[in-house]
Amino acid sequence: DAKTTQPNSMESNEEEPVHLPCNHSTISGTDYIHWYRQLPSQGPEYVIHGLTSNVNNRMASLAIAEDRKSSTLILHRATLRDAAVYYCILRNSNSGYALNFGKGTSLLVTP
Amino acid sequence: GAVVSQHPSWVICKSGTSVKIECRSLDFQATTMFWYRQFPKQSLMLMATSNEGSKATYEQGVEKDKFLINHASLTLSTLTVTSAHPEDSSFYICSAPQGAVSGSNSPLHFGNGTRLTVT
Repeated sequence: DAKTTQPNSMESNEEEPVHLPCNHSTISGTDYIHWYRQLPSQGPEYVIHGLTSNVNNRMASLAIAEDRKSSTLILHRATLRDAAVYYCILRNSNSGYALNFGKGTSLLVTP
Repeated sequence: GAVVSQHPSWVICKSGTSVKIECRSLDFQATTMFWYRQFPKQSLMLMATSNEGSKATYEQGVEKDKFLINHASLTLSTLTVTSAHPEDSSFYICSAPQGAVSGSNSPLHFGNGTRLTVT
């Protein structure tokens, strides 16, 4: 499976935008880029996913590089409730459609 | 939105006993569910894939006789930790895809996890 690389941690001020990077240089043409987040003591929560084009939803935006070797999850205005571990995961049929989690990025949001 | 319910949210059991964890898809059918385990300060590790009407598929290193999975209906999968030992203490999380599992385009919905402590 293609791997992703994320910073271990990031810090943001409340109400500021946050850009969470993810590198996936070995991505294949059939890999979807999925983002999930996990709040403390909870199961992961779906955030957003995309294939080639940038995507927006009520939670976040996903910017995908033209060569698809990297992507960025954008939280437009961080709140304290956005403090979580964010996982960037590639998903395709070879993984049986399960998600293989890496270490993710731990986001700290300060007031 | 789609919801996956997991029960119990926490359980404490004595070493040698068995514990059953339930995972239900509340407003959609799930022919496949995934079971994960998460140790403190670590990421989620996929344990097994639960398939409705057939045997579960286990990841390498996961003992199928210790972690019994039953996918009895399109909305329920159970994980039974048999003869639990303290090293089985962990956070167990289930998930299910909404929509056709054959699509890598389908988000996975997760339960809120079960904290198992074996004394």
